[in-house]
Amino acid sequence: GENVEQHPSTLSVQEGDSAVIKCTYSDSASNYFPWYKQELGKGPQLIIDIRSNVGEKKDQRIAVTLNKTAKHFSLHITETQPEDSAVYFCAASRTGTYKYIFGTGTRLKVLA
Amino acid sequence: KAGVTQTPRYLIKTRGQQVTLSCSPISGHRSVSWYQQTPGQGLQFLFEYFSETQRNKGNFPGRFSGRQFSNSRSEMNVSTLELGDSALYLCASSLGFIGETQYFGPGTRLLVL
Repeated sequence: GENVEQHPSTLSVQEGDSAVIKCTYSDSASNYFPWYKQELGKGPQLIIDIRSNVGEKKDQRIAVTLNKTAKHFSLHITETQPEDSAVYFCAASRTGTYKYIFGTGTRLKVLA
Repeated sequence: KAGVTQTPRYLIKTRGQQVTLSCSPISGHRSVSWYQQTPGQGLQFLFEYFSETQRNKGNFPGRFSGRQFSNSRSEMNVSTLELGDSALYLCASSLGFIGETQYFGPGTRLLVL
């Protein structure tokens, strides 16, 4: 069935370093890949997304890359700051299903 | 523009009871999706509504149901609550067209005792 694997489950980095979170999806028809950040006591907030016709997208310190052949996409955060500490979720969706399949989440800790 | 709102934010129920959760989408959004979030299972899709019609449903028992009103507000109901239904229930809204981004509310935290 549909599945999204996300690694690592926890990630600790020093402030200023980069963080990379990786996801692999199983449904080759998936064509939309959002990333969400969830802080304690809040709902997931969209931070960046990418569609299948694009290989890379960047927004300031955040970037996402997509490899359709490998069914793999990654989130890159550069110059991490303590406020980046949160749980990050990747998701995959395909046209006509109106639902997201989420990864299991990555708890990112940025150490000051 | 106001975000997605969910009420109530917290709820405590006992086994066997039923519960109704409410979600008001972002103004102009016609699609509402519901997800269950638990530490063990992560975020799991419950169902999605667009213009009062359910377009997709996840793999949850029939005790979980939902509906959408003409103003796009949505409710989900869980009957005969079980301990395992304790979770954060998240609502997300979107314009409802293909590939549209979903925006999440803060969730309703349900505790079943």
